[in-house]
Amino acid sequence: EPEVTQTPSHQVTQMGQEVILRCVPISNHLYFYWYRQILGQKVEFLVSFYNNEISEKSEIFDDQFSVERPDGSNFTLKIRSTKLEDSAMYFCASSEVPTGQNTEAFFGQGTRLTVV
Amino acid sequence: RKEVEQDPGPFNVPEGATVAFNCTYSNSASQSFFWYRQDCRKEPKLLMSVYSSGNEDGRFTAQLNRASQYISLLIRDSKLSDSATYLCVVNILTGGGNKLTFGTGTQLKVEL
Repeated sequence: EPEVTQTPSHQVTQMGQEVILRCVPISNHLYFYWYRQILGQKVEFLVSFYNNEISEKSEIFDDQFSVERPDGSNFTLKIRSTKLEDSAMYFCASSEVPTGQNTEAFFGQGTRLTVV
Repeated sequence: RKEVEQDPGPFNVPEGATVAFNCTYSNSASQSFFWYRQDCRKEPKLLMSVYSSGNEDGRFTAQLNRASQYISLLIRDSKLSDSATYLCVVNILTGGGNKLTFGTGTQLKVEL
C-alpha cells in the first residue's frame, strides 16, 4: 500500500537553530499538507500546497516557517529559528484531490521535534 | 466556540458494548466530514467519511445532521483493538483552498 514517509522520525534541536523536516508524499498525489500536534493537544493545520504554491496557511505558519517541493518528490517544512513552543509532532499529509471532495488525506508517521 | 468540538472522554467500555461519539462544528460552510482514528503517538488514519444520508462500514455507523451541525459515530460490538482516540474532522473550503480541522478527539478504552 502506498504511504507517506517522513524523515527523521525524531529530531532534537537547540532553540534558535534551523530545522528541515522532510516528507515524500504518495507519488500520484497533487495536494500536500503539514499539520502539527503538540503533546496532549489536537492536530492543527499549518499549510496546504498545490501546484508549487501555498494555497492556504494558518496563523501558526508565520514567517519562521516555509515549505518547498525542491525536486518533484520531496516536500519539506523549514523552521528558521526554532522556539521551545515549536516542540510537537509534525505530520505531513497528501491527497489525490482536494479534501473538500470527501477524499482521504494520507498522513505520514510524523516527525517528533524537540526544541531544547 | 471551538470549530470542532468533541467530548474528550475517556469512554471506558466492556468488550462487546455499543458506544456513540458526538461532535459539533461551528462553520456552516464546512463541506466534508470524516472520522479519523489515532493510536497513541501515531498518525491519524481515516476511519470513514460521513455522508448526509448516513453511512455504515461493518460495525461502524456515521451520521451527519447539517441543520444541527452535528456528526456522530456509533461503534457496535466493540473490540479491544478499537481502543484509540477518535477524531472528528471537518473540511472547510477557504479562500485559498481546503483545510482539515480536527476536534480534540474522544478517547475510547475497550476493556475485557
